[in-house]
Amino acid sequence: GAVVSQHPSWVICKSGTSVKIECRSLDFQATTMFWYRQFPKQSLMLMATSNEGSKATYEQGVEKDKFLINHASLTLSTLTVTSAHPEDSSFYICSADPLLSGRSTDTQYFGPGTRLTVL
Amino acid sequence: KQEVTQIPAALSVPEGENLVLNCSFTDSAIYNLQWFRQDPGKGLTSLLLIQSSQREQTSGRLNASLDKSSGRSTLYIAASQPGDSATYLCAVTPAEKLTFGTGTRLTIIP
Repeated sequence: GAVVSQHPSWVICKSGTSVKIECRSLDFQATTMFWYRQFPKQSLMLMATSNEGSKATYEQGVEKDKFLINHASLTLSTLTVTSAHPEDSSFYICSADPLLSGRSTDTQYFGPGTRLTVL
Repeated sequence: KQEVTQIPAALSVPEGENLVLNCSFTDSAIYNLQWFRQDPGKGLTSLLLIQSSQREQTSGRLNASLDKSSGRSTLYIAASQPGDSATYLCAVTPAEKLTFGTGTRLTIIP
C-alpha cells in the first residue's frame, strides 16, 4: 500500500516551453502533497506544499508564478514548470501524506521522481 | 532555522562489516526523524521512522537511534551487503515539513 506515482519519469524540453509533472497517490487519499527538487549531488529541498482545494504554500525563494501547483483532487497534484530554462533542469520528487480516518498521518510517501532536462 | 548534517558524506566498507551513519540536527524541537534510502536517479524509500518520544526503531538489519537532547541520530547497518549501496538521507520534521540532511553515499565493496 501507500504507492505514489509520478508522470512522466523523465522529460526533455526546449528552453521557453512549459512542462507539467503529475503526482498521484494510487491507493490512498491525501489532502497534502509536497514537491521537492534535487540538484545533482545535493539533498532534497522542499519547494512547496500542495493543499487540496486551496492555494499551495511556497518555500522562500521559490517563484510561485514559475512553478504552478494544482491539487484538484485528493489523489492528484500537478507541478507545471512554466517557461523552463536550463537552470530548471533537476530531479523533481513529490510526496503525499495519507489521510487516515480523515486525519493526516504525518508520514510522507515519495514518488519515484521526474528528471527534467531543459535544453 | 533547522539544519541537518550527515557525516561522513561518503563511506566505503567491505561486505559483511557493520557500519554506522550519523545525522545531526540543530533544533531539537522535532516531531519525528526518518531515514531514507535513495538509489542513483531514483526516488526515496523510507527505511525507518522514529517518533520524538521514541529512542530507537529496528527493521531487519537496520537500527536507528534518536537522541533529541543532543540533536543526533544514528543508522546502524549490520552485516552489510552490496545491495545496501545507496545514498542514505535523514530528515527531521518540525511540523509537517521535512528538512533533509546532506546524505551519506554508501558503497559496499564485494
